[in-house]
Amino acid sequence: DAMVIQNPRYQVTQFGKPVTLSCSQTLNHNVMYWYQQKSSQAPKLLFHYYDKDFNNEADTPDNFQSRRPNTSFCFLDIRSPGLGDAAMYLCATSTGPTYEQYFGPGTRLTVT
Amino acid sequence: AQTVTQSQPEMSVQEAETVTLSCTYDTSENNYYLFWYKQPPSRQMILVIRQEAYKQQNATENRFSVNFQKAAKSFSLKISDSQLGDTAMYFCAFMKPEGNTGKLIFGQGTTLQVKP
Repeated sequence: DAMVIQNPRYQVTQFGKPVTLSCSQTLNHNVMYWYQQKSSQAPKLLFHYYDKDFNNEADTPDNFQSRRPNTSFCFLDIRSPGLGDAAMYLCATSTGPTYEQYFGPGTRLTVT
Repeated sequence: AQTVTQSQPEMSVQEAETVTLSCTYDTSENNYYLFWYKQPPSRQMILVIRQEAYKQQNATENRFSVNFQKAAKSFSLKISDSQLGDTAMYFCAFMKPEGNTGKLIFGQGTTLQVKP
């Protein structure tokens, strides 16, 4: 089945140690999104790609970076994780014209 | 800026009964989309239903239907014949299309518990 896959599902990192989260899709969608979702809160958009065009949200910390080497893969890099970065990170994809976003299962990041 | 408000943090319903989740939004846009997403415990978020603002007819997907009141900026979700599998957090979301993309602006969510 076509889907959005996130690896790993659970990630533990140390304070200040860089970490990379991965997202892949078999839907061939041209838009990919990264959201941060803290416990019992709404997802908050960090950035998105339309093809290779990168769009950063104004309030996304500089600590967060992203790469999209091809249509299928997108990575979230957290350069120096702080305790406040502990959260669920959701990847989503979409394509026109319905604008429906398809979400992956998320990666739960713990910072120790 | 657009905002989405879900005024019910938690709700519960007996199995087989009907429940309505509320959502209001604020926008000056005329062309937009509204969504309800479901996030079951420890499972991924999935789309429940979508409404285009230019359509007057309320969207329906099996047991799920919406009451879209554009003038009142209200977008409630009705779940009929509730099932245990409907237990989840429900997010109302607004999107203004920007070309082929659009940013979802989520409400705070409503946790729904379906009781046997």
